[in-house]
Amino acid sequence: AQSVSQHNHHVILSEAASLELGCNYSYGGTVNLFWYVQYPGQHLQLLLKYFSGDPLVKGIKGFEAEFIKSKFSFNLRKPSVQWSDTAEYFCAVTDTGRRALTFGSGTRLQVQP
Amino acid sequence: SAVISQKPSRDICQRGTSLTIQCQVDSQVTMMFWYRQQPGQSLTLIATANQGSEATYESGFVIDKFPISRPNLTFSTLTVSNMSPEDSSIYLCSVTGVTNEKLFFGSGTQLSVL
Repeated sequence: AQSVSQHNHHVILSEAASLELGCNYSYGGTVNLFWYVQYPGQHLQLLLKYFSGDPLVKGIKGFEAEFIKSKFSFNLRKPSVQWSDTAEYFCAVTDTGRRALTFGSGTRLQVQP
Repeated sequence: SAVISQKPSRDICQRGTSLTIQCQVDSQVTMMFWYRQQPGQSLTLIATANQGSEATYESGFVIDKFPISRPNLTFSTLTVSNMSPEDSSIYLCSVTGVTNEKLFFGSGTQLSVL
């Protein structure tokens, strides 16, 4: 069965600091990978996704993620965070057969002005 | 992109009652899913809604508690039966097209059970 691990449960950064959130998955086949963001009181919003091709994926709001197949990882990065990036971030994975998403436990990011 | 209408957006219910949540998509989709997000937690898949047949439930979820219907390619309902406070969650509908490239979430139903 698929599983997703997000090791950072709560991250606190100052504005302009760089961000990297870890995501590791367990599945041996072909996967599709996603990062979602949930701002306080709001619903899920897709940040970026990886299906194939260039393993470095660029998403909205300056976020990017790199798929490293050998490490089963899909870490999320942003070079300079803003206070408005304060939110919960979820990594998710699915395979082409299953189609439903398996979510990680989420990482709460708090950016201090 | 698909537009998903999920109703109701929120509800407050009494223990022991049932609530039916509707998910309507503006285009035909191949797969529809129901997720639950309990307070402060991640999303968990409840079931896959299959058109014209019984839903496929994940471990820990049963049809008697969460009956699901999908009469056509654009509509599905999830019922939360005999509710208890532990059922207080956000329930989300999700759909995909031919590939996962087109994967969308509804706006969710925030359920509070007193």
